[in-house]
Amino acid sequence: DTAVSQTPKYLVTQMGNDKSIKCEQNLGHDTMYWYKQDSKKFLKIMFSYNNKELIINETVPNRFSPKSPDKAHLNLHINSLELGDSAVYFCASSQDIQSHEQYFGPGTRLTVT
Amino acid sequence: DQQVKQNSPSLSVQEGRISILNCDYTNSMFDYFLWYKKYPAEGPTFLISISSIKDKNEDGRFTVFLNKSAKHLSLHIVPSQPGDSAVYFCAASVRQGGANNLFFGTGTRLTVIP
Repeated sequence: DTAVSQTPKYLVTQMGNDKSIKCEQNLGHDTMYWYKQDSKKFLKIMFSYNNKELIINETVPNRFSPKSPDKAHLNLHINSLELGDSAVYFCASSQDIQSHEQYFGPGTRLTVT
Repeated sequence: DQQVKQNSPSLSVQEGRISILNCDYTNSMFDYFLWYKKYPAEGPTFLISISSIKDKNEDGRFTVFLNKSAKHLSLHIVPSQPGDSAVYFCAASVRQGGANNLFFGTGTRLTVIP
């Protein structure tokens, strides 16, 4: 019973392609997040969603777009992939927007060639 | 501009001894602090947290200390066990845009030697 799951675990693609990463949480949480961990191991917030509404959008290129079909899912779509997009992407969730503790998925390693 | 820093990339400790992991921050608006543990090829796992109104929180072998005046927190693990070997991330929370935004340090790799 994985609390926060992501698919795929690994994704290798060429520059210019469009790809999606899926995230699902079965914790009944209201808020979900996407993080990017770069080559220097720096984990940085990209987006937050609360009850299907975007509440944080850090300075992320608009090639990245989160989509939430329902409260349990937050997918990340990336258009026109670039070499610099290569990273590990983590999905996370928290009980609500008041909660500080976030629970993370296993990560998706994206490699752009 | 990294607002949360873990200046020790690695730490080795003998089994049974105390492990002390340190974290410094710059933003005085942070109101909650967390420690996460991460194994290879897995996501960070929440370990322990502390509110800015407290200076200590203990959970079993894990204790987090907060020194607000020094903008410093530390995680103590005692006694250390080989299974504690992992990368530990410090995170600080601040309210932004209606949600609690976490800022992470770059992690400290702890190795507990049997």
